[in-house]
Amino acid sequence: DTAVSQTPKYLVTQMGNDKSIKCEQNLGHDTMYWYKQDSKKFLKIMFSYNNKELIINETVPNRFSPKSPDKAHLNLHINSLELGDSAVYFCASSQDPPFLADQFFGPGTRLTVL
Amino acid sequence: GQSLEQPSEVTAVEGAIVQINCTYQTSGFYGLSWYQQHDGGAPTFLSYNALDGLEETGRFSSFLSRSDSYGYLLLQELQMKDSASYFCAVGPNYGGSQGNLIFGKGTKLSVKP
Repeated sequence: DTAVSQTPKYLVTQMGNDKSIKCEQNLGHDTMYWYKQDSKKFLKIMFSYNNKELIINETVPNRFSPKSPDKAHLNLHINSLELGDSAVYFCASSQDPPFLADQFFGPGTRLTVL
Repeated sequence: GQSLEQPSEVTAVEGAIVQINCTYQTSGFYGLSWYQQHDGGAPTFLSYNALDGLEETGRFSSFLSRSDSYGYLLLQELQMKDSASYFCAVGPNYGGSQGNLIFGKGTKLSVKP
């Protein structure tokens, strides 16, 4: 009965590869997000989807492409991975827009690019 | 520009009270949230203030002063398990549903015996 789940938990890959991270929430929330947390613990929003529609797309390289097949899933695909992409990626969801309600975070995916 | 300032580290002893301050500067404002994150874990929601004043949830309280663009998280009767990073976050008002949550850089709280 996990609320927000992500797979995989750890991802180690070579520079230049393409990888995907999957996220699912069973809370019935309308909005889902992807955050990147760097080594200094700075948590920055990357994307936000509301009912499968993109509503926020922060300044993120276009190598990152989110996909939402339905409102319970938000996947993140990363092309041509670079060393600087190494970070922990968190998926989150909330019922209302982010500034009106609490967000529920997944366990995170630790991506290491070698 | 938009920014949130909070202390990078705070140390306190078990049983004590600690206050973590957060000042913000945003283009708009809906409310101030606080999240807790243990090492290796995910951020978890603690509290949200939309109006001025104090919100209390058990040992944790959060305060907001909109006129001062300032808030704080108060942790009472500190326990070792409270050792974690604490993030303040604000939702700027870009109009409609286009806003997003901006997180501060976090305050690492260490609780000593």
